[in-house]
Amino acid sequence: DQQVKQNSPSLSVQEGRISILNCDYTNSMFDYFLWYKKYPAEGPTFLISISSIKDKNEDGRFTVFLNKSAKHLSLHIVPSQPGDSAVYFCAANPDSNYQLIWGAGTKLIIKP
Amino acid sequence: DTGVSQDPRHKITKRGQNVTFRCDPISEHNRLYWYRQTLGQGPEFLTYFQNEAQLEKSRLLSDRFSAERPKGSFSTLEIQRTEQGDSAMYLCASSLRGRGGAYNEQFFGPGTRLTVL
Repeated sequence: DQQVKQNSPSLSVQEGRISILNCDYTNSMFDYFLWYKKYPAEGPTFLISISSIKDKNEDGRFTVFLNKSAKHLSLHIVPSQPGDSAVYFCAANPDSNYQLIWGAGTKLIIKP
Repeated sequence: DTGVSQDPRHKITKRGQNVTFRCDPISEHNRLYWYRQTLGQGPEFLTYFQNEAQLEKSRLLSDRFSAERPKGSFSTLEIQRTEQGDSAMYLCASSLRGRGGAYNEQFFGPGTRLTVL
């Protein structure tokens, strides 16, 4: 049973518009969430994170929103740029120690 | 700091052979992780080290898999008697445990793609 779910395998967005990637989780004990971006033939690259004590974290064009009651988080990218085309993974950390639990990823395609 | 490096980047082997992968983490990072990723899935946790101590192993890590981090720096992941189901991308990551156990993000290497024929 997947504890972290990204239900959209792919998303296509026009350049300059907002990209919204969604992630749902099942375990209310998760207290830290991260978004990673992955290009082909490279390892995942950390993008932005959020602690469960917050509901929003912003870093430049990237904003992550957390809705704990709905067990849902989303990543907003605005404005979207061609270089944002990649696979985006949502990951959750059940405590401050070790493993991350990952979603299956969403492939974002930015159209010129 | 050159980031996390992994060697080799690609490995093709025949079923039944043994393979070994190496990971060099970011130098000041005390935590090192191994993950496996198959097509269309997110990475799956295999094991993690804090310094030279292996503190957690996933059920995915069968007896054919062994990982070491002998001096708390680089790590090796060995797969014995490889099977076709072992074909995957093997990712290594490192992180620095913050003061008081605060979490720090994991930095990933480029991965080793294993193909078992």
